[in-house]
Amino acid sequence: AQKVTQAQTEISVVEKEDVTLDCVYETRDTTYYLFWYKQPPSGELVFLIRRNSFDEQNEISGRYSWNFQKSTSSFNFTITASQVVDSAVYFCALPNSGGGADGLTFGKGTHLIIQP
Amino acid sequence: DTGVSQDPRHKITKRGQNVTFRCDPISEHNRLYWYRQTLGQGPEFLTYFQNEAQLEKSRLLSDRFSAERPKGSFSTLEIQRTEQGDSAMYLCASSFTSGKETQYFGPGTRLLVL
Repeated sequence: AQKVTQAQTEISVVEKEDVTLDCVYETRDTTYYLFWYKQPPSGELVFLIRRNSFDEQNEISGRYSWNFQKSTSSFNFTITASQVVDSAVYFCALPNSGGGADGLTFGKGTHLIIQP
Repeated sequence: DTGVSQDPRHKITKRGQNVTFRCDPISEHNRLYWYRQTLGQGPEFLTYFQNEAQLEKSRLLSDRFSAERPKGSFSTLEIQRTEQGDSAMYLCASSFTSGKETQYFGPGTRLLVL
């Protein structure tokens, strides 16, 4: 079974600081996708990124960057120069395997608080 | 482009009552998923449809839960004889066929069972 671990339950930083959210996963699949979603206080899950396990290059999108390391089964997310609007719960997710199920297995999430 | 919509956004019911939620996916998407999220936890997969066919059900989906997608468009999730433990956010998502395409989520229906 798939497993996603987000060990950081809550992180609090002051605005403009850089912050990294950790994600460690377990899968027996040889190829897979990994996802990050953001859940602001409104509750709706917002898609941030999808990464194929074949591609270990880091990805940058504005202030967001992702570091994927297959050797350590980690897919970490960094926000540079954080802003108050980044305050949310962030989830890492991995598609389910076996039986054709394509639902996602989510971690428990990291609650990020950006203080002004 | 219209996103995933869910109705109602909030529902309060008494234990033992039946409730039904509706999800309208993104129009081009033929896969539709249901998840449940309790406080402080990540979403948990319940079931998914490809067009009108229900292809997978999680063991979390007890006999009191039933989902339908009769015409391959919108879907309904019904909970019969609600229990306090059913209180949660029910999330719907949709995607293209491959299943490895990105799932886009709706705003959710928050259920409170008294």
